[in-house]
Amino acid sequence: GAGVSQSPSNKVTEKGKDVELRCDPISGHTALYWYRQRLGQGLEFLIYFQGNSAPDKSGLPSDRFSAERTGESVSTLTIQRTQQEDSAVYLCASTPRQGANYGYTFGSGTRLTVV
Amino acid sequence: GENVEQHPSTLSVQEGDSAVIKCTYSDSASNYFPWYKQELGKRPQLIIDIRSNVGEKKDQRIAVTLNKTAKHFSLHITETQPEDSAVYFCAAGFNKFYFGSGTKLNVKP
Repeated sequence: GAGVSQSPSNKVTEKGKDVELRCDPISGHTALYWYRQRLGQGLEFLIYFQGNSAPDKSGLPSDRFSAERTGESVSTLTIQRTQQEDSAVYLCASTPRQGANYGYTFGSGTRLTVV
Repeated sequence: GENVEQHPSTLSVQEGDSAVIKCTYSDSASNYFPWYKQELGKRPQLIIDIRSNVGEKKDQRIAVTLNKTAKHFSLHITETQPEDSAVYFCAAGFNKFYFGSGTKLNVKP
């Protein structure tokens, strides 16, 4: 697509429920990143994928968080047993390839609210 | 991992004045340093970047400087305009990037 697409744009869920967030990167971009941005704060790195290589999961805050990506296409970020502290905007970004000094193109994010 | 610190957290300037935002990083392996602008409720957008083999880069009213020895880099905005008002984030890394905590810039008309 023309840009990075994320869905849903907003999600309200009850504490303890699982949620799944989707990211569709720019066509041809092999690297895909997930970040979390709490209200009024900076961006926290969560995970990144590069082609078919094993993902770098070093930023995932707990085992309730997981992500998958099939090849160089769509990625899903899953949060199990959501907690109120999971409330944030989850941003996805893609680049033509891993690192290599490319700036991110971000999606518009998914605003997650856990009540 | 990388640790990026950013100062100041808020900055208020008069229209036409200059604004400077400073960042430090900890990992000497970091080789790419982008800056993002985020307007309220919107996604961050890349405004300028600098690579580790360059000390300075300029794009119209925006410039970045990098001191690899001291592990710090800065964003300079000259002739500020009200539309420059936003939150600015620095980032540093290699392959994946860590962000500073942001600077809220307010340009008063």
